[in-house]
Amino acid sequence: ELKVEQNPLFLSMQEGKNYTIYCNYSTTSDRLYWYRQDPGKSLESLFVLLSNGAVKQEGRLMASLDTKARLSTLHITAAVHDLSATYFCAVSNSGGGADGLTFGKGTHLIIQP
Amino acid sequence: GAGVSQSPSNKVTEKGKDVELRCDPISGHTALYWYRQRLGQGLEFLIYFQGNSAPDKSGLPSDRFSAERTGESVSTLTIQRTQQEDSAVYLCASSFDRVNEQFFGPGTRLTVL
Repeated sequence: ELKVEQNPLFLSMQEGKNYTIYCNYSTTSDRLYWYRQDPGKSLESLFVLLSNGAVKQEGRLMASLDTKARLSTLHITAAVHDLSATYFCAVSNSGGGADGLTFGKGTHLIIQP
Repeated sequence: GAGVSQSPSNKVTEKGKDVELRCDPISGHTALYWYRQRLGQGLEFLIYFQGNSAPDKSGLPSDRFSAERTGESVSTLTIQRTQQEDSAVYLCASSFDRVNEQFFGPGTRLTVL
């Protein structure tokens, strides 16, 4: 059974600081996703990571994937208040074909001025 | 273009009643997914459709839950004899193919009294 663990589950940080959210998963997978969810809203896709060593960056967010370690990281650089949200990583359930995703429990991020 | 839409946005029902939730995927997306998100939790995969067939029903929590899809279009998730533990936000997502991200709808918030 595929399990996805995120840490930390809750993070409060100050604007301007850097931090990393970690996502570990238990079995081989070929796709990992990062999503953002604002309170009362649906999920917004941030990154799709498809191969070992993949690195993607968008603004102050950068995601990477190490398939050998079964680890993905979401790094926040010089945080700003607008990045406050819950961040989920999700891993595909099987090696091929469109299928459901297994989500981590989410990291609730609060960025304080 | 139009995103994934879901209806109703909110549904309050009494225990024991049946409910039907609707999802309109993005046009051209062959894959469609249903997830459940309980308060403060991550997403729980329910069912996946490729076209109008459902190769993966592994996430449906009980036989009270069923879903169908018409071609590569609308899908309905039906919950029979609702229970209080069914209260959650039900999210629908669609994707173009196996390597692209899933785009989520706004969700239906179901409350079972």
